Amino acid sequence: QVQLQESGPGLVKPSQTLSLTCTVSGGSISNGSYYWSWIRQPAGKGLEWIGRIYISGSTNYNPSLKSRVTISIDTSKNQFSLELNSMTAADTAVYYCARTHYPFYYMDVWGKGTTVTVS
Amino acid sequence: SYELTQPPSVSVSPGQTATITCSGDKLGDKYASWYQQKPGQSPVLVMYQDDKRPSGIPERFSGSNSGNTATLTISGSQAMDEADYYCQAWDSSVVFGGGTKVTVL
Repeated sequence: QVQLQESGPGLVKPSQTLSLTCTVSGGSISNGSYYWSWIRQPAGKGLEWIGRIYISGSTNYNPSLKSRVTISIDTSKNQFSLELNSMTAADTAVYYCARTHYPFYYMDVWGKGTTVTVS
Repeated sequence: SYELTQPPSVSVSPGQTATITCSGDKLGDKYASWYQQKPGQSPVLVMYQDDKRPSGIPERFSGSNSGNTATLTISGSQAMDEADYYCQAWDSSVVFGGGTKVTVL
């Protein structure tokens, strides 16, 4: 079955840019039935959607993060990526990638998450 | 921006029914999804398109959505159902509710 795995640095300095990659295995990222999303969760808090990308390259971002976020896709590597710039302590969280059903926007497969600390 | 409101906590006795609500403006006109998250684990989809259960989710989980409220019901609650539950909908972007901690005791 499809599995997702996040990778990237666990520690980022304030004002720097976070770069995370999600590798999709067991299925093709080019499957047009899905979007590919990033979600984050600060410790002890709820889920916050960051944004999503479709195979066409079309993106949609959380309005509260839109000015700092870029999501891209690399079909040759079966990966999609997140860049979040101007990091602050408030961005410290577990970051998840998830497969998102098109067009109903529910997330049916999640990665295990990766912890990012800004310090 | 669109908001989804959930009660912070719900308590239920084993074998009884737990009802988790999610409120939002005209939520019934949108599709609601629900996720279960246990400590230290990733969220798991337990309901989508209001009332559809993914494969592997027990039949004791059911969902509905009408008016301004979506509801996730756990019939015959078990200790393993103790977790945080999040509702989610789409309104120009993905929106999550704040989460409800379900305690089975």
